[in-house]
Amino acid sequence: EAQVTQNPRYLITVTGKKLTVTCSQNMNHEYMSWYRQDPGLGLRQIYYSMNVEVTDKGDVPEGYKVSRKEKRNFPLILESPSPNQTSLYFCASSPGLGSKGYEQYFGPGTRLTVT
Amino acid sequence: QKEVEQNSGPLSVPEGAIASLNCTYSDRGSQSFFWYRQYSGKSPELIMSIYSNGDKEDGRFTAQLNKASQYVSLLIRDSQPSDSATYLCAVRNPTGSARQLTFGSGTQLTVLP
Repeated sequence: EAQVTQNPRYLITVTGKKLTVTCSQNMNHEYMSWYRQDPGLGLRQIYYSMNVEVTDKGDVPEGYKVSRKEKRNFPLILESPSPNQTSLYFCASSPGLGSKGYEQYFGPGTRLTVT
Repeated sequence: QKEVEQNSGPLSVPEGAIASLNCTYSDRGSQSFFWYRQYSGKSPELIMSIYSNGDKEDGRFTAQLNKASQYVSLLIRDSQPSDSATYLCAVRNPTGSARQLTFGSGTQLTVLP
């Protein structure tokens, strides 16, 4: 089954404790992206990647890191989480090329709470 | 001015009616347009994409695009309670922008039995 997976789905952590949220897709997509979704603010892009070893900042990159060492994986790293990073996080991927290149498919989401 | 604007709603329609969801965008160079459905606490799900002016129909869904007016809409015919969700409009950024999509803040639709 074609899908984007994220782990963990739920996470409660404390301020300053480094964490990683994993994202993996099995569709051989070129493009991957991380979003956060907050009430009243909609979906905001954190980082994106056009291909392996190619990443760039989105709208709200502060406090986050990413890496793309393999095409299928795009982990999101919070090196020192703070309470304002409490949010619902989505990973998404799209082919990046072709007529459907921009059709993004989302993972199930990770609900993060930082206390 | 927001790049992609939607009425936040809530929009309520009776079961069996037509629900009309609207979206305007600011960049005339935008090329592709998408509608996502998001149930509460779930991830956005792509339901329609439209690339050229006019209408595109898929089952009970019709997407309408008017690039001159910078307007895209989604019509849901024979609305069902299971259509109750937040609908997100997304616009592809112009050529050369790797950010890909900009999302509106969504319209919450409630279909009343």
